[in-house]
Amino acid sequence: AQSVSQHNHHVILSEAASLELGCNYSYGGTVNLFWYVQYPGQHLQLLLKYFSGDPLVKGIKGFEAEFIKSKFSFNLRKPSVQWSDTAEYFCAVSPPGGGNKLTFGTGTQLKVEL
Amino acid sequence: EPEVTQTPSHQVTQMGQEVILRCVPISNHLYFYWYRQILGQKVEFLVSFYNNEISEKSEIFDDQFSVERPDGSNFTLKIRSTKLEDSAMYFCASSENRAEAFFGQGTRLTVV
Repeated sequence: AQSVSQHNHHVILSEAASLELGCNYSYGGTVNLFWYVQYPGQHLQLLLKYFSGDPLVKGIKGFEAEFIKSKFSFNLRKPSVQWSDTAEYFCAVSPPGGGNKLTFGTGTQLKVEL
Repeated sequence: EPEVTQTPSHQVTQMGQEVILRCVPISNHLYFYWYRQILGQKVEFLVSFYNNEISEKSEIFDDQFSVERPDGSNFTLKIRSTKLEDSAMYFCASSENRAEAFFGQGTRLTVV
């Protein structure tokens, strides 16, 4: 069975600090990888996704993630966070064929302080 | 921008009662999903639906749960006899081609 681990449950950063959120997955084959964000009171939104190709993926709002197959990791990064990035971030995986069944991590609550 | 909409945003129900959670997926999408998140826990897959039938369901999705697409726009999740442990945020999602799921804002179900 697939599983996803997010190591940081709560992260507090100052504006302009760099961000890296860890995500590791376990799955015995090829996977599709996603990062979703949930701003307070809003729905889950897709930040970025990786299906194949360049392992460095760029998403919306300046976020990027790097797929490292040997480490089963898909860490999310942003060079300089803003107060508006305060949200909960979820890593998710699905088997090839897309988002038919997403397995989510526990989420990381990010708070960016002014 | 098209979005998935869910109603109600919050539902309180008594244990043993039936509830129906409603979702309007994005209009040209063909794949529909329900997920739930119990407070403090992971978002968990419940069921996927395609071509008017369930394509996959998790072990959580037992006989008390059912899904339906009663017309061309709505996608519903029914819980027949709610239990306290059904209290959670329920998310509907839809996708056009199974590549990217778009989520609704969720319905917070509280069973008392």
